[in-house]
Amino acid sequence: SQQGEEDPQALSIQEGENATMNCSYKTSINNLQWYRQNSGRGLVHLILIRSNEREKHSGRLRVTLDTSKKSSSLLITASRAADTASYFCATASGSARQLTFGSGTQLTVLP
Amino acid sequence: NAGVTQTPKFQVLKTGQSMTLQCAQDMNHEYMSWYRQDPGMGLRLIHYSVGAGITDQGEVPNGYNVSRSTTEDFPLRLLSAAPSQTSVYFCASSPLDRQETQYFGPGTRLLVL
Repeated sequence: SQQGEEDPQALSIQEGENATMNCSYKTSINNLQWYRQNSGRGLVHLILIRSNEREKHSGRLRVTLDTSKKSSSLLITASRAADTASYFCATASGSARQLTFGSGTQLTVLP
Repeated sequence: NAGVTQTPKFQVLKTGQSMTLQCAQDMNHEYMSWYRQDPGMGLRLIHYSVGAGITDQGEVPNGYNVSRSTTEDFPLRLLSAAPSQTSVYFCASSPLDRQETQYFGPGTRLLVL
């Protein structure tokens, strides 16, 4: 069963705008991660936030985590055409040896 | 480093045929795993391994076998392919002490007719 569910399923914005994607999950977690997948390629790890953290930054990425609501958001600021990809959240729980992925958000950044 | 490599990139099988999807990594990672990705869905874990000689089942293991004779290689075997196994397969690896962050291969696209 899928732990994370992303919202929206698809998002289209203009270059320079900010993009926000949300992820909800069902059970308690050790950490939550975001991955990017370009068309026809493998997944690339973007950022990890632990269950005791509320916000984390990495370059143009900002991730928040609300464990009381079992939700996370990924914000990409000043988007570029190269940010066009699918974005997946993944949760790690228990022994943290398995990741459970959501269904992804397809982001399109128009030049 | 080549990272995580997968072969073949694309394969067509007939129902009932068997094949092995290859995965290798040159980063000396202890943890390796196989996922499948179906349209509109995230990745689902098939099998994983925390080291040579140790394997375990993931969420969707039926119809697949794995073995881990070396640290570098983690092949996935389809014993009798079925159309429901049409999917894109990804192999991933990570060091045990940072096993949350996984490094993915480019994927194998499998079509079972």
